Amino acid sequence: ELKVEQNPLFLSMQEGKNYTIYCNYSTTSDRLYWYRQDPGKSLESLFVLLSNGAVKQEGRLMASLDTKARLSTLHITAAVHDLSATYFCAVDQNAGNNRKLIWGLGTSLAVNP
Amino acid sequence: SQTIHQWPATLVQPVGSPLSLECTVEGTSNPNLYWYRQAAGRGLQLLFYSVGIGQISSEVPQNLSASRPQDRQFILSSKKLLLSDSGFYLCAWSKGNGYTFGSGTRLTVV
Repeated sequence: ELKVEQNPLFLSMQEGKNYTIYCNYSTTSDRLYWYRQDPGKSLESLFVLLSNGAVKQEGRLMASLDTKARLSTLHITAAVHDLSATYFCAVDQNAGNNRKLIWGLGTSLAVNP
Repeated sequence: SQTIHQWPATLVQPVGSPLSLECTVEGTSNPNLYWYRQAAGRGLQLLFYSVGIGQISSEVPQNLSASRPQDRQFILSSKKLLLSDSGFYLCAWSKGNGYTFGSGTRLTVV
């Protein structure tokens, strides 16, 4: 059974600092997703990582995927308050036509002035 | 472009009352559809998914049911709500790469 572990679960950081969120998963998968959720809101797609070594960047966020290590990272560069949110990674479990996501518990990020 | 609509946005229902949440997708055909629940703002639990009309897979035993009467319509129902049914319900669709989520329904059972 596919399991997804995120760490840390809670992260408080100062503006301008860098930090990395880690996402480990237990079995092979061909797709990994990162989502952002603001309080009381739905999920916003950040990145879709499809292959080993994939790296994607959007603004101060950069995501990477190492399928051999079953590890994805979400790196935050020079954090700003607007990045405060909960970040989820999710891994596609594909069983024939029944593709579904297995989720990490999320990382609650607070960026403080 | 594809869009997903979910309603209502908030709902307060008494224990024992019925529930019907609706989700519709536009701009695509034969999507995979999903219902998730999120409790206490953390973690998403997959409740149901559907790969086609009338095809529903249930992930966890519970007080809820789902139906897909049309290709782009997914309905979450309950005959009698429990307090434990409170939470944030999210509908999502997928076809190929990526999943797109609806805006969510916050259900409070009182």
